Amino acid sequence: DAKTTQPPSMDCAEGRAANLPCNHSTISGNEYVYWYRQIHSQGPQYIIHGLKNNETNEMASLIITEDRKSSTLILPHATLRDTAVYYCIVRVGVLTGGGNKLTFGTGTQLKVEL
Amino acid sequence: KAGVTQTPRYLIKTRGQQVTLSCSPISGHRSVSWYQQTPGQGLQFLFEYFSETQRNKGNFPGRFSGRQFSNSRSEMNVSTLELGDSALYLCASSLEGDADTQYFGPGTRLTVL
Repeated sequence: DAKTTQPPSMDCAEGRAANLPCNHSTISGNEYVYWYRQIHSQGPQYIIHGLKNNETNEMASLIITEDRKSSTLILPHATLRDTAVYYCIVRVGVLTGGGNKLTFGTGTQLKVEL
Repeated sequence: KAGVTQTPRYLIKTRGQQVTLSCSPISGHRSVSWYQQTPGQGLQFLFEYFSETQRNKGNFPGRFSGRQFSNSRSEMNVSTLELGDSALYLCASSLEGDADTQYFGPGTRLTVL
């Protein structure tokens, strides 16, 4: 699975958009980009994923560059409850790669403040 | 739909003992994966079970083992516990689509004294 690079920490004011970048310059054509977050001492929570196109759901938007070498997770109106470690993960599809395995890096600690 | 459940939530053991942790996946999910999280190593993949067979394995010693039952429930076992096995053990389940996501349980906090 491709390696990802994320800033160790970011701050965001409550109500503003939080833009979390991720670099995955060695991504392969069949690898998806996933985002998870982990609030302190809880299990990781799935946020969103994409292959080539930008994606949006009720939690966030995922912007993937045209060359797929980087992506940005956008939380449109961050709240204090969004304070968490955000992980960007790249992996092949389950059926392609023979199963589920997520390789977590160190992630980005997002702190949302008043 | 109920989420992934793990039991027990907290456990204290002493060195040399063994421990068994349990995971019940979301109904209909046949894949169960286990992860270990420590402050020093972060989140690390242990193994995955699908249809009662181990499909993937991480880089952990043989003291760590697991199994899956016909109802998809899974257990992991750690034998001859060491102090370094103190960690949060997380279980995740998923469907079998190519891009299907994993849903994590709350974890079992294991402390080895």
